[in-house]
Amino acid sequence: DQQVKQNSPSLSVQEGRISILNCDYTNSMFDYFLWYKKYPAEGPTFLISISSIKDKNEDGRFTVFLNKSAKHLSLHIVPSQPGDSAVYFCAASGLTGANNLFFGTGTRLTVIP
Amino acid sequence: GAVVSQHPSWVICKSGTSVKIECRSLDFQATTMFWYRQFPKQSLMLMATSNEGSKATYEQGVEKDKFLINHASLTLSTLTVTSAHPEDSSFYICSARELGAKNIQYFGAGTRLSVL
Repeated sequence: DQQVKQNSPSLSVQEGRISILNCDYTNSMFDYFLWYKKYPAEGPTFLISISSIKDKNEDGRFTVFLNKSAKHLSLHIVPSQPGDSAVYFCAASGLTGANNLFFGTGTRLTVIP
Repeated sequence: GAVVSQHPSWVICKSGTSVKIECRSLDFQATTMFWYRQFPKQSLMLMATSNEGSKATYEQGVEKDKFLINHASLTLSTLTVTSAHPEDSSFYICSARELGAKNIQYFGAGTRLSVL
């Protein structure tokens, strides 16, 4: 049972525009959410996270929004750059105690120069 | 900071042989390390969680006798694929969580295993 879902397998965006990647989860016990970026044949790189006490966290060009009532989070990248082209995974877990991260299936972002 | 080194990055072996993959946290102590497997175009599948000095906890469906995990120190965990078969060919990735930190896992670069 996929507890974290990324329903868009791919997304193409023009350079300089905003990229919006979406993620939905089903387990209401999740209270910590992360976004990872992954290039082919490499391990995921941590990008940004948010705890359930917040609804927004910003780090440079990356902003994560959390809507707990909808069990939905999104990653905004603005402005998008060609180097942002990669697969983006969202993940969810408990903030404390629970070790496991539950990953979505990923969204492949292509930023067109 | 928070660098995780995984070695080797690519290994080809004959069926029936064993392969050891190392995962090291280079600049932090990791009480917990994780081993994942990724099939093409799929998400990361957690195989097992290992805590330093204790036995690994395996996810359902993962054979612990086939995938031996050792976490002998706060900076090193190893995964040994024993008697590898072609169906074990996959991309294996380790991650580490820093002692006392939030639940952020830092990942190694992964190991591509090809079993002939």
